[in-house]
Parts: sequence; structure tokens; C-alpha cells
Amino acid sequence: DGGITQSPKYLFRKEGQNVTLSCEQNLNHDAMYWYRQDPGQGLRLIYYSQIVNDFQKGDIAEGYSVSREKKESFPLTVTSAQKNPTAFYLCASTINAGVNEQFFGPGTRLTVL
Amino acid sequence: DAKTTQPPSMDCAEGRAANLPCNHSTISGNEYVYWYRQIHSQGPQYIIHGLKNNETNEMASLIITEDRKSSTLILPHATLRDTAVYYCIVRVFALNTGNQFYFGTGTSLTVIP
Repeated sequence: DGGITQSPKYLFRKEGQNVTLSCEQNLNHDAMYWYRQDPGQGLRLIYYSQIVNDFQKGDIAEGYSVSREKKESFPLTVTSAQKNPTAFYLCASTINAGVNEQFFGPGTRLTVL
Repeated sequence: DAKTTQPPSMDCAEGRAANLPCNHSTISGNEYVYWYRQIHSQGPQYIIHGLKNNETNEMASLIITEDRKSSTLILPHATLRDTAVYYCIVRVFALNTGNQFYFGTGTSLTVIP
């Protein structure tokens, strides 16, 4: 059963702590993306990666970091430098060749206390 | 830069057609229009996409104007389960950045019994 998994569904952290959100896909997709969604808002791009060992900043990369050591995995670290980290985080992937849709994971809701 | 504008909310009677408009007046010739929907606190779900021809699948129809500056998503017989936020997205592809999907703030569709 192919798809994208994100864990955990809900995450709570104290202010000042770094936290890493997991994203795994078994769709053999080349590109992976991280978005942030705030209440009543659309999705804003944090980071994306077209291939393994390469990633690029999106529109709101400050305070976040990523790695892409394996094709299947694209973890996102929310650092203490992110001033307002409480949000819903969505991971997505797509094949880069041709016209294809973006597949999304179920999301992780991060709450910083 | 969202690239699309949509009305913030719409209502539709159950069993009737839901017509969701989207403006994308700055769209370029090779940029596709995608539609996704998102039920609260879940990942967005792909609905349909098109370039310039009208498209239909089992979920919906997509009508794109001849000048490609706007489009309409049609859900032919809306059900209560179609209540969601619907996003009209422009997909841009470039060799150096791959596929980029530009989300706006979406239309919150409420299907009324």
C-alpha cells in the first residue's frame, strides 16, 4: 500500500527545544516538499528536495532545516530559531518528470508550549 | 506569490452542482491548473488538473476559459462529504527548481442538507 506517512500526528514541545518531524514515502518519488499551514490559511512552502542529497529553501525556510539522505525520507527539524512554530505541517512528494500530481501525507500538528 | 484567487467561502445544496471559480490571470502558457481539497486537519487530496482543455474524471469537471485566466471546478452532485476547503493551484515546472505548486487560501465549501 503505497503512500506518504508522517509521524507523529500530534506533537507537543516546550519553547526553545528543537523538534524533528518525520516524513517517509514508498512511492519512489523524486521530489519531496514540506509545507506549513496556519489556521484559515493556505499552504506555504518551507523546503523542497528534487533529488537525494539536494534541497532548496522555499518561501519560509528561516528557523527550519532538512536533510535528504535517502530517497524515501525527508525529515524536517523545527529549530528554536523559528519564532512561531505552532502550526500544521504537511509533507508531500511528486515525480519530477511529466505532469503529475503532488501526493500529501496526513500532516503533523505541532504545538509549542 | 499565490498566483490564484478564490472566493473565501461558498454554500451548495446537497444534490446540486457546486461550481467553484478561480482566477489565475498571470498564468503562463506551460503552467497547469490543479485542484485539491482538504478536509479539516487532513492532507490535501488531489481532484483534477488541466492545461487548456476541459477535463473530467470520476470526481469532478474542470472548465478552463479560452484565455486561461480563470477556471471553474464543478462537483456535479454535491454530497455532505464534499464539505471541505478547495484549493486552486498553479503548477510551475523549471529544470532548476522542478515542480512547484502555488497554493492560495482556498474556498471553504459547505454542502447544506
